[in-house]
Amino acid sequence: DTGVSQDPRHKITKRGQNVTFRCDPISEHNRLYWYRQTLGQGPEFLTYFQNEAQLEKSRLLSDRFSAERPKGSFSTLEIQRTEQGDSAMYLCASSLSLLGERGSGNTIYFGEGSWLTVV
Amino acid sequence: GDSVTQMEGPVTLSEEAFLTINCTYTATGYPSLFWYVQYPGEGLQLLLKATKADDKGSNKGFEATYRKETTSFHLEKGSVQVSDSAVYFCALTSSILTGGGNKLTFGTGTQLKVEL
Repeated sequence: DTGVSQDPRHKITKRGQNVTFRCDPISEHNRLYWYRQTLGQGPEFLTYFQNEAQLEKSRLLSDRFSAERPKGSFSTLEIQRTEQGDSAMYLCASSLSLLGERGSGNTIYFGEGSWLTVV
Repeated sequence: GDSVTQMEGPVTLSEEAFLTINCTYTATGYPSLFWYVQYPGEGLQLLLKATKADDKGSNKGFEATYRKETTSFHLEKGSVQVSDSAVYFCALTSSILTGGGNKLTFGTGTQLKVEL
């Protein structure tokens, strides 16, 4: 049983460079989420996919951030022209929902995160 | 908007001590409530959950009861171990996103240190 996997686990980049993170959700999970976590804080929602459709984006997601899930399986999160304030852990999560289900109790499973340090 | 408030840490306990980590929430509608645990350098793991009032979630000796009247979901464990040292996050989902997805809103986390 494979959980949510993220790659790379750690990335150090210079300010102004672009970075891309990949997330492979739990197989057959149709929902995929990206969160950001800074030191001493809880994770904050960034964006969410239902299959391949990006249905919600937080105000935290500036124009330099873009996320895709082209085939409804894996997802990528790209940050362009990185800034020091982008340094954080980027968490991917997934869950399974049934057709027509709108309950709020579905369990969301998280990956181990991708640490980004912008120097 | 929805929010979660947790007691500040770090909480330092001796092994076998009783643990309580307080969590209160503000939400519209009827949220589901969760506790997640994060070990050093790792992602979040679901510890337990409760989806309606008076439900009790439990796992690995940890328990939390959904109290709608006090809007609380306090985490308890009768006898902590060194291996329980981690950061604990209380969270809720109630804001249904477009298409029915859940958005978790987290507290700031409470660090627990258990010493021998």
